[in-house]
Amino acid sequence: EIVLTQSPGTLSLSPGERATLSCRASQSVSSSYLAWYQQKPGQAPRLLIYGASSRATGIPDRFSGSGSGTDFTLTISRLEPEDFAVYYCQQYSSSLTFGGGTKVEIK
Amino acid sequence: EVQLLESGGVLVQPGGSLRLSCAASGFTFSSYAMSWVRQAPGKGLEWVSTISTSGGSTYSADSVKGRFPISRDNSKNTLYLQMNSLRAEDTAVYYCARDALGYYYFDYWGQGTLVTVSS
Repeated sequence: EIVLTQSPGTLSLSPGERATLSCRASQSVSSSYLAWYQQKPGQAPRLLIYGASSRATGIPDRFSGSGSGTDFTLTISRLEPEDFAVYYCQQYSSSLTFGGGTKVEIK
Repeated sequence: EVQLLESGGVLVQPGGSLRLSCAASGFTFSSYAMSWVRQAPGKGLEWVSTISTSGGSTYSADSVKGRFPISRDNSKNTLYLQMNSLRAEDTAVYYCARDALGYYYFDYWGQGTLVTVSS
């Protein structure tokens, strides 16, 4: 099973700042089969990024994904108030697993 | 508009059974693989099970294998999760999710239904 480790656990930032979230896999994720989701309290997750770097429909371009192999990054270029949430990575290269999440909170 | 509406979540005793349903609309249900993903209170996401478009192939996490068969009725645009031999650790919000075409990530999610396993 591919284990995904997300860091940091919590990121405290102010609106307008840049957020960099990490997702590290215990073994290589082939074909960059990695997705990112955003989840706000009491809501279902929402797909942000698939294929490591492709934005889902309707996702603002301040969200970007990068990486390959075992190291992946989600970057939010300038945080908007609605971006404060929990973010999860998910690999779909070998079965399906999620990372433990990174909470982006207002500083 | 794609809509996924889960139902069936209740309070059930350990060892009991329950069936969750997910009614789909706004897309050609029979063209998409479908999945269940759960989230224990205050915890992260855990993939539970996936079913192919025809229902001929199913995949499950080890934690539920043999206890939670997944099925679908394409004539009713509905996904099911039969939950047997329930344990306290199965307590979670269960989300129905649509798999992206040809891939196993999830492009649409329902709002979830809460299953509580407790005596």
